[in-house]
Amino acid sequence: DAKTTQPTSMDCAEGRAANLPCNHSTISGNEYVYWYRQIHSQGPQYIIHGLKNNETNEMASLIITEDRKSSTLILPHATLRDTAVYYCIVRPHSGSARQLTFGSGTQLTVLP
Amino acid sequence: GAGVSQSPSNKVTEKGKDVELRCDPISGHTALYWYRQSLGQGLEFLIYFQGNSAPDKSGLPSDRFSAERTGGSVSTLTIQRTQQEDSAVYLCASSLEGRLAGLTDTQYFGPGTRLTVL
Repeated sequence: DAKTTQPTSMDCAEGRAANLPCNHSTISGNEYVYWYRQIHSQGPQYIIHGLKNNETNEMASLIITEDRKSSTLILPHATLRDTAVYYCIVRPHSGSARQLTFGSGTQLTVLP
Repeated sequence: GAGVSQSPSNKVTEKGKDVELRCDPISGHTALYWYRQSLGQGLEFLIYFQGNSAPDKSGLPSDRFSAERTGGSVSTLTIQRTQQEDSAVYLCASSLEGRLAGLTDTQYFGPGTRLTVL
C-alpha cells in the first residue's frame, strides 16, 4: 500500500469545520483513499472513501486533489464526540493486499 | 445488532493458559479479518478469511496463534500458551467482497476484545 502522511495532532473548536489533511504522493491508479477513526477504547469506525471524485456522506466530506496526491477529510460541524484518532489509508480495490494498514493517524481534539 | 460483535469484551488470563476469542461478522459478509492493537500502537494484521478460500495467515506472529471460521460465518481466534506480550486489543472486521461488493470492500470493525496476560 502507498504510504500516507498525516499531522500528528490537530485541535478544532466545537461547531467549526475540522479539516484533516493527508498526503499520499505515491498512490497508484487503482488505489482508493479510505478514512477511519478510532475513539478511545473502541474499534475503528469507517468514515468515507473515494477514488478521484469528491465524496460526501452523513458523516463527512472527502476532497481529493486532481493529481490524487493528497486529500482532506472535512467534518463540517465538529462536536466533542468527534474527538478521536483519524486514519487515512490507501488501498487497492483488487489484488492480494486486502488488509488495512493503519499509520499513526491524526489525533483530533475538539475543544468546547 | 447489525454490526460486528466480539466476545468476550475483556479477558484476563494467566501466562501459559490458552484463550479463545470469538467474532460474529455482519450477516452476509464473506470476508473476515483479525487484527491486534497493542497499547499505543497501530493495527497489526493477523489473518484473513475469504469465502471458501484458504486463509491468509501471513500476519500470525507465531504458531501459538490460530484461527478458524466455521460455516463461513463465526470465527474463533485461539492463542495457546499465552505470553505477556500477547496482551493487546484483538479486533475483528468483516467486509462484503467479491462481485456484490463492486469496486471496493469496506471493512467494518467490531468493538474488540481486550486481552490481558498476567
